[in-house]
Amino acid sequence: ETGVTQTPRHLVMGMTNKKSLKCEQHLGHNAMYWYKQSAKKPLELMFVYNFKEQTENNSVPSRFSPECPNSSHLFLHLHTLQPEDSALYLCASSQEDGQGSSEQYFGPGTRLTVT
Amino acid sequence: GQNIDQPTEMTATEGAIVQINCTYQTSGFNGLFWYQQHAGEAPTFLSYNVLDGLEEKGRFSSFLSRSKGYSYLLLKELQMKDSASYLCAVRDSNYQLIWGAGTKLIIKP
Repeated sequence: ETGVTQTPRHLVMGMTNKKSLKCEQHLGHNAMYWYKQSAKKPLELMFVYNFKEQTENNSVPSRFSPECPNSSHLFLHLHTLQPEDSALYLCASSQEDGQGSSEQYFGPGTRLTVT
Repeated sequence: GQNIDQPTEMTATEGAIVQINCTYQTSGFNGLFWYQQHAGEAPTFLSYNVLDGLEEKGRFSSFLSRSKGYSYLLLKELQMKDSASYLCAVRDSNYQLIWGAGTKLIIKP
């Protein structure tokens, strides 16, 4: 596997279900991100992990819970979601050197539908 | 508040040139990125500007004017495969990326 992988690619879940999204990066990067992408809206940054430490949590509802067990893996645990949470969830990684010039590498995303 | 503005949609002809503009108002500036996203796929990095001027990369060029809070992506010799959304993103003073909603580019034969 190369780059950034995400599983599952598609997920349909009811509002009472619990599920997890998985992301793995094979690039040796030190930072990982979760984004939400809704149609015709800007990418919304949800969580940032730098060296496995969470550094950003942009007022995301508690029904989304991130986990970063190591610098290569990132999870997004979902529970009691709402229909408006239906979106494409993108994982990204980058090698941060403090200069801010690093591009982010994205996974293919998980298309989530909440019924 | 922080804001990135891009046109929602543009149409161009195969073989032609198109310029996609991006204006931004952010708390600080630490670089501007352009990404390409084909429908149903991940965004992929195209270019990075941190100093004023033009950066050229093959058929694609990106320009930045920090004093005007303005950038554009120039695509030359358009090909059908260039049909995609183009995302502008600015890194603010906290090194957080602020994203535009993207410009959907439609290429016609």
